[in-house]
Amino acid sequence: GESVGLHLPTLSVQEGDNSIINCAYSNSASDYFIWYKQESGKGPQFIIDIRSNMDKRQGQRVTVLLNKTVKHLSLQIAATQPGDSAVYFCAERETGGFKTIFGAGTRLFVKA
Amino acid sequence: NAGVTQTPKFQVLKTGQSMTLQCAQDMNHEYMSWYRQDPGMGLRLIHYSVGAGITDQGEVPNGYNVSRSTTEDFPLRLLSAAPSQTSVYFCASSRETGELFFGEGSRLTVL
Repeated sequence: GESVGLHLPTLSVQEGDNSIINCAYSNSASDYFIWYKQESGKGPQFIIDIRSNMDKRQGQRVTVLLNKTVKHLSLQIAATQPGDSAVYFCAERETGGFKTIFGAGTRLFVKA
Repeated sequence: NAGVTQTPKFQVLKTGQSMTLQCAQDMNHEYMSWYRQDPGMGLRLIHYSVGAGITDQGEVPNGYNVSRSTTEDFPLRLLSAAPSQTSVYFCASSRETGELFFGEGSRLTVL
């Protein structure tokens, strides 16, 4: 079946540096992409989303980039803080569909 | 608003026992879903519902049943628990378009 995957399972960055988390998706019918953050022992929380008619969207300290040509999604976190340490998941949803399928996740470690 | 509420938070079962994980949301969301998350893994979709009376299978539906009699509630039933069902279960809801809102999870151990 279609799947969403990630290039790197873990990422370690220095506090204050920028972080980039990557995601590859394979379902060309997907038109809505979301990044979630999951802290230990908690449910995933929404960070930022992007629809397929856009290639970039910015939030507070976060930016999502979408490259539909190569089916690639990335999450950029500016000035990474210790509180950003968590597992980050990308997820996708098909046009007109309701199922949200998740990738495997990337664990982000922020070194003080 | 409480958001998405899951009960119980922890449960231990013996192989072959049955149980129901409860999920309720107070946001009037049409869409509800159940995921399982195994250690160090991503979330896999078990079942989902697009409205009261409508349910459908996700990626890993075997061994689980769901029903959606009201907009608010979406219980997940394990008919005959197996050790392979040891996992953390998350319920989520959303509007027809938009992001998922998750509960805090239900941690199930099957001995």
